[in-house]
Amino acid sequence: GDSVTQMEGPVTLSEEAFLTINCTYTATGYPSLFWYVQYPGEGLQLLLKATKADDKGSNKGFEATYRKETTSFHLEKGSVQVSDSAVYFCALSLNTGFQKLVFGTGTRLLVSP
Amino acid sequence: SAVISQKPSRDICQRGTSLTIQCQVDSQVTMMFWYRQQPGQSLTLIATANQGSEATYESGFVIDKFPISRPNLTFSTLTVSNMSPEDSSIYLCSVGASSYEQYFGPGTRLTVT
Repeated sequence: GDSVTQMEGPVTLSEEAFLTINCTYTATGYPSLFWYVQYPGEGLQLLLKATKADDKGSNKGFEATYRKETTSFHLEKGSVQVSDSAVYFCALSLNTGFQKLVFGTGTRLLVSP
Repeated sequence: SAVISQKPSRDICQRGTSLTIQCQVDSQVTMMFWYRQQPGQSLTLIATANQGSEATYESGFVIDKFPISRPNLTFSTLTVSNMSPEDSSIYLCSVGASSYEQYFGPGTRLTVT
């Protein structure tokens, strides 16, 4: 079945460090890929997306590139801030009328000053 | 993106009782979704609620336990029936958007004692 695998957390970094959160997927078709972020005590916010191979999604300094050959969508940021501390979820949608989202398990990021 | 509100934001309930969660959207949407996020876990889709049709439930979720209403294009309710402590979770509604992403409400944090 369709699934998303994320790296285990928590990821602990110092402010201004480089961030990578790995995400790989398994899908029968050609999915759209998303990163969502959940700040403490809040709901999910869409961070970025990519709808086809080689697309790069970007927002708030975060980037992720849709790699069809490696079925990956790794999240990166060049310099993290304390305010980036949150849980990050990778997800896919199968681009069918049903529009179902499949989520990874989430990766908690902790950034210290 | 749509603005989504949920009521209540949190509740503490006795086992054996039921709670109805409301989800209101500021624009008309075709697809609405209900998710459960158990403590420290990822999101699991409970059901898809389209206006004018019966909700479609995911494996492991049944209508008797989680009845859903969708009376119009801006509103939906999810009822958690005959609650047990295992139902303690965050319940989130979301709406589908044009590029297969979804936008989420702030969630309802339910504790069953």
